[in-house]
Amino acid sequence: NAGVTQTPKFQVLKTGQSMTLQCAQDMNHNSMYWYRQDPGMGLRLIYYSASEGTTDKGEVPNGYNVSRLNKREFSLRLESAAPSQTSVYFCASSDTGTAGNTIYFGEGSWLTVV
Amino acid sequence: KNQVEQSPQSLIILEGKNCTLQCNYTVSPFSNLRWYKQDTGRGPVSLTIMTFSENTKSNGRYTATLDADTKQSSLHITASQLSDSASYICVVSARDTGRRALTFGSGTRLQVQP
Repeated sequence: NAGVTQTPKFQVLKTGQSMTLQCAQDMNHNSMYWYRQDPGMGLRLIYYSASEGTTDKGEVPNGYNVSRLNKREFSLRLESAAPSQTSVYFCASSDTGTAGNTIYFGEGSWLTVV
Repeated sequence: KNQVEQSPQSLIILEGKNCTLQCNYTVSPFSNLRWYKQDTGRGPVSLTIMTFSENTKSNGRYTATLDADTKQSSLHITASQLSDSASYICVVSARDTGRRALTFGSGTRLQVQP
């Protein structure tokens, strides 16, 4: 089983460029998430989608937009990349919310903004 | 503010030895506590989930304990193997707060040496 698949794995951007991180899950999960992981800090929620057609801001949404294209896919877009967005990005999914449900993570996308 | 503190930040042990990782939290109202293993360059993988009523849960050589009164959890690794080298992340979920439910610790980096 593929689980949660993210692309690209690595990306270098120049300040001001835009890009989209793609995420797809094959577990028929309702909820999907985008997190960022920075050195010495816990994962922080950027955006969340409880179900197809719905999205909601997390802890650190500024500078990002998301699209829940269908039940499988949840993309994260950086419209104008900034060096502060250099981070490792993880997409995740779970059956319904986070109450007691296992959250499955993708392998991560390493983004460097120069 | 909900917080999860893990100790130690890093740990080196010899193969075959046991170790215990600690997690203290101030998340309220408490729903559940999870431990994840994150190999270098990979996404986190779930080890255990414990609810308020559970005080211990095992997954192979991994045993997690929970004391909801003192808001502490530990992850005990028995007979460590080289493949246990990873970061271990404690994640606490708050009840009834949906997408904002999860608070991540910054992890304990474990290195198992031969």
